[in-house]
Amino acid sequence: DAGVTQSPTHLIKTRGQQVTLRCSPKSGHDTVSWYQQALGQGPQFIFQYYEEEERQRGNFPDRFSGHQFPNYSSELNVNALLLGDSALYLCASSLQDRNTGELFFGEGSRLTVL
Amino acid sequence: AQSVTQLDSHVSVSEGTPVLLRCNYSSSYSPSLFWYVQHPNKGLQLLLKYTSAATLVKGINGFEAEFKKSETSFHLTKPSAHMSDAAEYFCVVSDQPGGYQKVTFGTGTKLQVIP
Repeated sequence: DAGVTQSPTHLIKTRGQQVTLRCSPKSGHDTVSWYQQALGQGPQFIFQYYEEEERQRGNFPDRFSGHQFPNYSSELNVNALLLGDSALYLCASSLQDRNTGELFFGEGSRLTVL
Repeated sequence: AQSVTQLDSHVSVSEGTPVLLRCNYSSSYSPSLFWYVQHPNKGLQLLLKYTSAATLVKGINGFEAEFKKSETSFHLTKPSAHMSDAAEYFCVVSDQPGGYQKVTFGTGTKLQVIP
């Protein structure tokens, strides 16, 4: 049973560039949430996708956008990168009907913006 | 309103001694509560969860937590620390104010285990 997989694991970008991060949820899960975790901080909620729509959004600017595909996989896009966007980006999957809030996390994509 | 407070940012214990990581929460609804562990440069792994069943919850690796509604607490304990327990621990509260699940993470407690 494959867990949550994320790619790439590490990447380096420069200010102003754009980045796309990818996530495949745990088998059977239909909901994907994205979190940003800056160094030494707890994860901060970016947004959640269910049924290919953004259902909830945290306090992040429009530079952060996403997509969910029919197979439930998801992408996180960040435009016009800033130095402060350097962080570990975590994808978490869940089952909407289960409704307990339990999340299954991937290993993350570490983004460094120079 | 939903919030979670981890009372200690760092905890240091000697190997073989008990571990106590403290967490207080606030929720206007019937919450679910979780503890996750994160080892360096890794994702988060679920340690244990409370979802309105037994108030004393047992998790993996010998950890357990007790849900105390009167104290709005969900402290994480382990009788005897092991070197491999050194990691960061996050307390998480989840409730459903309307339609969709809302999840909030605490700021984390870094556990150091001294040989």
